Amino acid sequence: AQTVTQSQPEMSVQEAETVTLSCTYDTSESDYYLFWYKQPPSRQMILVIRQEAYKQQNATENRFSVNFQKAAKSFSLKISDSQLGDAAMYFCAYRSPGLIGSRLTFGEGTQLTVNP
Amino acid sequence: GAGVSQSPSNKVTEKGKDVELRCDPISGHTALYWYRQSLGQGLEFLIYFQGNSAPDKSGLPSDRFSAERTGGSVSTLTIQRTQQEDSAVYLCASSFYGGEDNEQFFGPGTRLTVL
Repeated sequence: AQTVTQSQPEMSVQEAETVTLSCTYDTSESDYYLFWYKQPPSRQMILVIRQEAYKQQNATENRFSVNFQKAAKSFSLKISDSQLGDAAMYFCAYRSPGLIGSRLTFGEGTQLTVNP
Repeated sequence: GAGVSQSPSNKVTEKGKDVELRCDPISGHTALYWYRQSLGQGLEFLIYFQGNSAPDKSGLPSDRFSAERTGGSVSTLTIQRTQQEDSAVYLCASSFYGGEDNEQFFGPGTRLTVL
């Protein structure tokens, strides 16, 4: 079974600064998807960024980018130019490839605070 | 278009009572998932429905938990004889079969408190 670990329960960053959230995972599969989700106090899970394991290029979405190290099974999220609206709980998640029925396996989450 | 909706938003119940939680997926989405988020924890998979196939119930924590999906759309998660450890946020997600990466879209969840 796959596992996802987020070792930083809490992180803080100054507005406009850069912060990196860590995630490691364990799997025996060679192909899979990795995700970062954001959960604000509204509880709505919002997809921030996704990475396919077979792609060597790191995914980017505006101010959000990942550092995907497949051999090390590491998938960190970098948030540049942090904004107050980035404050939320961030979850790293893993999904096996192919079938739509593949569940998401989540890490424990990292609570991000953005200080003005 | 409308996203995934869940009701009620919050539910407080007494230990031993049964509760029903409802999920309305995005129209046209054939797959529906239930997850549970206990306080300070990540999301834990409960059950998955895909079209008319038999559901994947492998994540249900006990036989007090059950779920159904009527007409391939609305789903109800039922917890019988609730216990205090059932207190959590229950999140529903749906996805469209054949989508580029089968992204799961989440609802706002139901916060269940068992007294």
